[in-house]
Amino acid sequence: EVHLVESGGAVVQPGGSLTLSCVISGFSFRDYTVHWFRQIPGKGLEWVSLFSRNGVTTFYADSVKGRFTISRDYGRSSLYLQMDSLRSEDTALYYCAKEHGTMYFDYWGPGTLVTVSS
Amino acid sequence: DIVMTQSPATLSLSPGERAILSCWASQSLGNKLAWYQQKTGQSPRLLIYGASTRATDVPARFSGSGSGTDFTLTISSLQSEDVAVYYCQQYSQWPPVTFGQGTKLEIK
Repeated sequence: EVHLVESGGAVVQPGGSLTLSCVISGFSFRDYTVHWFRQIPGKGLEWVSLFSRNGVTTFYADSVKGRFTISRDYGRSSLYLQMDSLRSEDTALYYCAKEHGTMYFDYWGPGTLVTVSS
Repeated sequence: DIVMTQSPATLSLSPGERAILSCWASQSLGNKLAWYQQKTGQSPRLLIYGASTRATDVPARFSGSGSGTDFTLTISSLQSEDVAVYYCQQYSQWPPVTFGQGTKLEIK
């Protein structure tokens, strides 16, 4: 059975850093691309980043480019999102999600909450 | 980036009624359109992809249609468990994939 579980959310001050983790089970990083999304509570969904199943290709939303870094540990079945220079507008629930086909998503984790506040 | 617009913002209907949710794209998507359901406190659930293909275990009362820039999600006979926010998402041109702002479906 497919599962994704995020962790690492916390309250952090503006300018600070945080690393989120997403542990997967029931499928392989070699077969499916996994993405990060975020959602301000009560608001819509925003795509953040992807780490391709090819093990090389990464993409970022313009809003996080240069501040966030996505990485993957195949042996630990884990996807990471290193977030630096955090801003108040980064406050959101962060989800990881698995592609079903190209760029639509059939399994999502429960999310982890990041709050950027002084 | 492709802008997705959904209408209405809120839809309030009685059980058994038909719900029609609309989604427009700022550029042609072909059929690269997905619909998601998000219940309060839950993660999004894939309902429809390829504009009209139901995902696994999605009830037959949910159907998607449209192509190009105009798309529709129809729920043929509303049930109480359909209360949720529904989002459309384009995957024709990426990155980024983009979502509509959502339609909140309420049951009277």
